Amino acid sequence: KNQVEQSPQSLIILEGKNCTLQCNYTVSPFSNLRWYKQDTGRGPVSLTIMTFSENTKSNGRYTATLDADTKQSSLHITASQLSDSASYICVVSAITNDYKLSFGAGTTVTVRA
Amino acid sequence: GAVVSQHPSWVICKSGTSVKIECRSLDFQATTMFWYRQFPKQSLMLMATSNEGSKATYEQGVEKDKFLINHASLTLSTLTVTSAHPEDSSFYICSALIRGRSEAFFGQGTRLTVV
Repeated sequence: KNQVEQSPQSLIILEGKNCTLQCNYTVSPFSNLRWYKQDTGRGPVSLTIMTFSENTKSNGRYTATLDADTKQSSLHITASQLSDSASYICVVSAITNDYKLSFGAGTTVTVRA
Repeated sequence: GAVVSQHPSWVICKSGTSVKIECRSLDFQATTMFWYRQFPKQSLMLMATSNEGSKATYEQGVEKDKFLINHASLTLSTLTVTSAHPEDSSFYICSALIRGRSEAFFGQGTRLTVV
């Protein structure tokens, strides 16, 4: 069973609207949680990274939240643009010596004009 | 942010041939690099972890003799797909870990098509 679950699997929104993506994880002991944006045919690009003590972090129109108690995170996209169409991946790392990352399956966001 | 350059971005090869993919950290030293494989609409799957100057650690189910990894310097790791078959067609992505930090940066990915 994957240790990082994302929902929804995909969503379609109109340009200018907001949306929220969810990430639940069971990775332990928790080190940090990152959200990446991956355009089709490209490598992932980091949006935010949060440690245990942080519960919100913003990067422009992207705002991530983290509840380490319930092991949940969300990524909120404000005033979506066509360029936001991509896959958004939640990645969690544990406090281990090998820095292995646990990947969610991603949420595919399609923004339509 | 740190830059990881992956080359080539796409390659088409014939069955039975070998293909080498390079992953370079351009402005930092990467003690550890990771190689991933990604099928369409699926998440990244870790294939192996390579540490500079030592043998790579492969994930279960990944053939080390087929996917040769060399991490000869602190800025370069290579993945060679040997005797490629059509089922090896996939998107391969590397990431590099900055020494002393737990943040990894990803390359642009390589689309391999074996015909």
